[in-house]
Amino acid sequence: GESVGLHLPTLSVQEGDNSIINCAYSNSASDYFIWYKQESGKGPQFIIDIRSNMDKRQGQRVTVLLNKTVKHLSLQIAATQPGDSAVYFCAEKSATDSWGKLQFGAGTQVVVTP
Amino acid sequence: NAGVTQTPKFRILKIGQSMTLQCAQDMNHNYMYWYRQDPGMGLKLIYYSVGAGITDKGEVPNGYNVSRSTTEDFPLRLELAAPSQTSVYFCASRSPTGTGNNEQFFGPGTRLTVL
Repeated sequence: GESVGLHLPTLSVQEGDNSIINCAYSNSASDYFIWYKQESGKGPQFIIDIRSNMDKRQGQRVTVLLNKTVKHLSLQIAATQPGDSAVYFCAEKSATDSWGKLQFGAGTQVVVTP
Repeated sequence: NAGVTQTPKFRILKIGQSMTLQCAQDMNHNYMYWYRQDPGMGLKLIYYSVGAGITDKGEVPNGYNVSRSTTEDFPLRLELAAPSQTSVYFCASRSPTGTGNNEQFFGPGTRLTVL
């Protein structure tokens, strides 16, 4: 999800459940998408990425889904753990950009409860 | 590899002071980026560089300057600090487009407060 102002959307998930984090992107010319995890006081860490010629990509416990028709990206985390508590950002890169510049969304706060 | 390193971790400046935020990477990445992150917001690109001697403005360059004299280092300069520059600053680097790896690697950030 996207947020306005200082209040990030928050996803509260019970430990062991699956999490789904959504992201609406803006540029239909984007050809590359990436998810980052940011723990409090740290820099963003890469989770998974996907090119626009794919609609699904799986990693370890994570899956990214891309729906270009509605410009929607989602990150699924299986069996959510306390260590998954963080802010998650999606980012996109335009196909016309040659320098790898990313446009970031505002982020979603994930809180894992025991 | 240390990855991307940033110094200092924290800094408080008075209005009108200047400072340089340091960023270095040891991955031999050509592309480097400076972002700022305001509370509860995503990252906004300030400046970027595609190699030594080549820099360009991002989305929010006003009040900042950069230089890139070596592949490893990409310092960000604030000349006349203003309260609006209170933020967390992240430096990132990546391999050139077309080399297969597209992710940007981020440093730990510098938290700057301007009073």
